[in-house]
Amino acid sequence: DAGVTQSPTHLIKTRGQQVTLRCSPKSGHDTVSWYQQALGQGPQFIFQYYEEEERQRGNFPDRFSGHQFPNYSSELNVNALLLGDSALYLCASSPLIGSKGETQYFGPGTRLLVL
Amino acid sequence: QQQVKQSPQSLIVQKGGIPIINCAYENTAFDYFPWYQQFPGKGPALLIAIRPDVSEKKEGRFTISFNKSAKQFSLHIMDSQPGDSATYFCAASIRTGNQFYFGTGTSLTVIP
Repeated sequence: DAGVTQSPTHLIKTRGQQVTLRCSPKSGHDTVSWYQQALGQGPQFIFQYYEEEERQRGNFPDRFSGHQFPNYSSELNVNALLLGDSALYLCASSPLIGSKGETQYFGPGTRLLVL
Repeated sequence: QQQVKQSPQSLIVQKGGIPIINCAYENTAFDYFPWYQQFPGKGPALLIAIRPDVSEKKEGRFTISFNKSAKQFSLHIMDSQPGDSATYFCAASIRTGNQFYFGTGTSLTVIP
């Protein structure tokens, strides 16, 4: 059973560019959340997708947007990249919202470096 | 504002020791408290989680102690091993499927 997968593993961009990160959830999971983890910090919630719609959003600007596809996979898009966007971007999946006894499972992340 | 406060920032113990990592929260609506282990360059991996209706939960060498009145919870690692050297994060959420609020992490080093 494959866990959460993310691509690419590493990415280097320059300021002002746009980037798209991809995530495939764990089998049986339909909810995808994205987190940003700066070096030496805990993950910060960006947003969550369920049934192809953004369900929750953290304190991130509109430059951060996302999408969920019918097969539950998801994309994170960041426009007008800033140096401060350099971080590890984590995708987490979970089964139907509110299910008891389940939690969010994280992928290995995409390391983004903005120069 | 940090929703979950974690301490210490770093911890060094001898092999066989029992490191303890503490977390505190303010939002009484939180009802799910997981602990994650993260190795360099990897995503966080779930270790153990607890709900506020119990005061302690053990899974293998990992134990969570939960104090609902004090709004605090802690992770104990029994018989720690060098392979336990990693960064540990506590988190909290309102229901398991909702966003997690993470602590700032504790870097644990277990010396052989």
